This record gives sequence, C-alpha cells and structure tokens, in this order.
Amino acid sequence: GESVGLHLPTLSVQEGDNSIINCAYSNSASDYFIWYKQESGKGPQFIIDIRSNMDKRQGQRVTVLLNKTVKHLSLQIAATQPGDSAVYFCAENDNNNDMRFGAGTRLTVKP
Amino acid sequence: SQTIHQWPATLVQPVGSPLSLECTVEGTSNPNLYWYRQAAGRGLQLLFYSVGIGQISSEVPQNLSASRPQDRQFILSSKKLLLSDSGFYLCAWSVTKGAQPQHFGDGTRLSIL
Repeated sequence: GESVGLHLPTLSVQEGDNSIINCAYSNSASDYFIWYKQESGKGPQFIIDIRSNMDKRQGQRVTVLLNKTVKHLSLQIAATQPGDSAVYFCAENDNNNDMRFGAGTRLTVKP
Repeated sequence: SQTIHQWPATLVQPVGSPLSLECTVEGTSNPNLYWYRQAAGRGLQLLFYSVGIGQISSEVPQNLSASRPQDRQFILSSKKLLLSDSGFYLCAWSVTKGAQPQHFGDGTRLSIL
C-alpha cells in the first residue's frame, strides 16, 4: 500500500480539471482492489472496485486502472468538482483475504 | 438497501472507564462484520472481524474485545480504557471477505482523558 505517515500526500486541482490519484500495492497475489472516498468526520465511502482479471473499470465520472506488472492502481476523476474534495485511499486483499488499506491522498478542489 | 449504523458519533471517557460501541446493519443477512481503528494519516487497522454470531477473530492483541450477540449487531468493548485507546473507530460489513466491498459506518471519535 501507500507509505504510512502522519502527513498525507496531497493533490490540488482546479474545478473542472481531471484528477489522478495513485496507489502502489505490495502483494503480487492480491486479486481484488477498492477505492474509497472519506470526507472529514465520516466513514469511508465505496467508490469503485476492480478485480485482477481486468485492467480498467469505469463508473460515473471515475475510472480505475490496474497495472499488475508494476503493482500500481490509479483512480481518475473526470471534471473534478468541489464536492470531490476528500481523502481517497485504496485497498487490496492480502493472502488471508483481509483488506489492507493505504493511508490515502488528500484531494483539494479549488473553485 | 443495506445500511449500517454506529453510535455514538463522539465519546469522551476517562482513563479506566469501560467502553461499549455498537454497530448494527440493516437490509442483509449473515454479513461479515469488522471493527477498525483509524489513526490520523494512517491506513485502517483491523481490530476484529466476525463471520457469524458468536464468532470473533482478533487481529491485534490489546485492551479491546468484540462480541456479536445477534446476526447484524457487533459490539466493541473494553473493561478499562487506556489513553492509547483514543482514536476513530469504524465498523464495516461485507457480503464476503476479501472479494466484495466493505461498507463502513460513520465512525465513533473516542477521546480518552
């Protein structure tokens, strides 16, 4: 997963631009991945998931890309809006089928 | 549709006092249930999970315990809270473990004084 630390990576984008949030995972045997959005003071909200037999999956304004060769996952948000401002984190399943969560990236959308 | 409820939303407790946090799920049967702790700037730490009534797996040895008295009820407890128990506690449910999304409640912010 992402590096663990007290200071989250941050991404600042202009309203209307596209956002790309990245996640590096460590377990080559992981076969299921999830992206979550967490607003301040709330629980994580499921955005989109992808299984390892796919490279790309699209939702409403979001796309997840999976590159198994380099163990990299990304979340693309199209036409980013102020309501998209939140912490985004990825999760992968491990050998015990527990989900391992990254620390997240803080997305700030400037109006 | 399925919903998950956690309460209380915030809690301030003195050191040495007991704890009981409750989580209930509606709209599904026999869910997998989870308790996590989230520290600032860190990923979620799995504390307990349950695949059925009375079945609890502990992931991290500590001052906390969990119980599942009913199919859709999951309780996080402590007999004597420590300062280090402060944090943001999240309950989640899923249909299966590791192959389906986990859905989270809105958490409890626990402060120990």
